Amino acid sequence: AQKITQTQPGMFVQEKEAVTLDCTYDTSDPSYGLFWYKQPSSGEMIFLIYQGSYDQQNATEGRYSLNFQKARKSANLVISASQLGDSAMYFCAMREGDYGQNFVFGPGTRLSVLP
Amino acid sequence: AAGVIQSPRHLIKEKRETATLKCYPIPRHDTVYWYQQGPGQDPQFLISFYEKMQSDKGSIPDRFSAQQFSDYHSELNMSSLELGDSALYFCASSLGPMTGFNEQYFGPGTRLTVT
Repeated sequence: AQKITQTQPGMFVQEKEAVTLDCTYDTSDPSYGLFWYKQPSSGEMIFLIYQGSYDQQNATEGRYSLNFQKARKSANLVISASQLGDSAMYFCAMREGDYGQNFVFGPGTRLSVLP
Repeated sequence: AAGVIQSPRHLIKEKRETATLKCYPIPRHDTVYWYQQGPGQDPQFLISFYEKMQSDKGSIPDRFSAQQFSDYHSELNMSSLELGDSALYFCASSLGPMTGFNEQYFGPGTRLTVT
């Protein structure tokens, strides 16, 4: 079974608008971490934001925020005020356990920001 | 700030040849991870090392082997290359699991093409 699901293969958003990229996960481990990475067309993988399973508050990093709904097992990424440079693939990933080293990635969502 | 270094950035090999990919982690990072990302796919975890010992193993083929050296750099050795091995190979590094929050920093990747 897929541990990370990203149901949106592609998304379009107008420049300066906000966009939400969906991510749901599946784990029975009470301790886990959720990550979002951005992969531009150049190929590098860029860390965006992290949410721990015990964190009480939703993570925020600049224009990125993570809408963490633990009961629903969802960790959606919200990008505010989209910029043309935000056009990229976005991967949701999960690390299980306090010391788990195996990151599992979702299939990704390709975001295109329109001028 | 220093980042993860991977070499070579591009590599072209023929079927049945061998290849060695190198990864130099961020200074003080003691954990290294290898991922394989096929065209249009999400990264798949191959193997990880912590303090020069293999710490976790994913979908790494038997034809591949890896190790981490005393200076924490790692090498991924790939033998009997197949066309399906053509992919982007990422190395990532982090502070080891004892920190609890092991955010992985990715290198730029090595693009391997097998002809």
